[in-house]
Amino acid sequence: QQQVKQSPQSLIVQKGGISIINCAYENTAFDYFPWYQQFPGKGPALLIAIRPDVSEKKEGRFTISFNKSAKQFSLHIMDSQPGDSATYFCAASTTGAGSYQLTFGKGTKLSVIP
Amino acid sequence: EAQVTQNPRYLITVTGKKLTVTCSQNMNHEYMSWYRQDPGLGLRQIYYSMNVEVTDKGDVPEGYKVSRKEKRNFPLILESPSPNQTSLYFCASVPSPSSYNSPLHFGNGTRLTVT
Repeated sequence: QQQVKQSPQSLIVQKGGISIINCAYENTAFDYFPWYQQFPGKGPALLIAIRPDVSEKKEGRFTISFNKSAKQFSLHIMDSQPGDSATYFCAASTTGAGSYQLTFGKGTKLSVIP
Repeated sequence: EAQVTQNPRYLITVTGKKLTVTCSQNMNHEYMSWYRQDPGLGLRQIYYSMNVEVTDKGDVPEGYKVSRKEKRNFPLILESPSPNQTSLYFCASVPSPSSYNSPLHFGNGTRLTVT
């Protein structure tokens, strides 16, 4: 059972455009939603994270939008740049569950073309 | 520099030949974990360890073993590798099992090919 569904699998965006990656979850106990960014040849690294008590979090050009009732959250990359080309993973976890456990989406490969 | 170090970065082996992928972290983290990454399947957890001598299965543990004899090291052992274990493997750590809001620190990966 896939608990975090991520789409699209791949995305091509023109430089300067907006990249949007969507995730949906099923487990209502999830209460922490991070996004990880992975460049080729590297391990994933935390990009930005949100908790469900807010509907939006912005860090620079990166914004997470969160819709608790729909059980969906998305990553928006404004003014996308070629340097943003990477694989992005959404994830979810339940804090206080007794052990650190992250459930990852399947990833989105973003290509930003000049 | 705080880091998770995996070795080797690349490994080609044959079916049935036992191998070990090492993982070491220098951040005094209690919690360590192994993931495999496959196209279209994302990151799947193999095993994790909440502290020394405490390990548990993740989502895809079949065919793998781990040990945690020291806090800093968490090796992944494939006793009889098969071609379906060809994958990109990542080791990761966080300060403790209750570090729910802490980012996972990943190594740079080990690309394993089993022929």
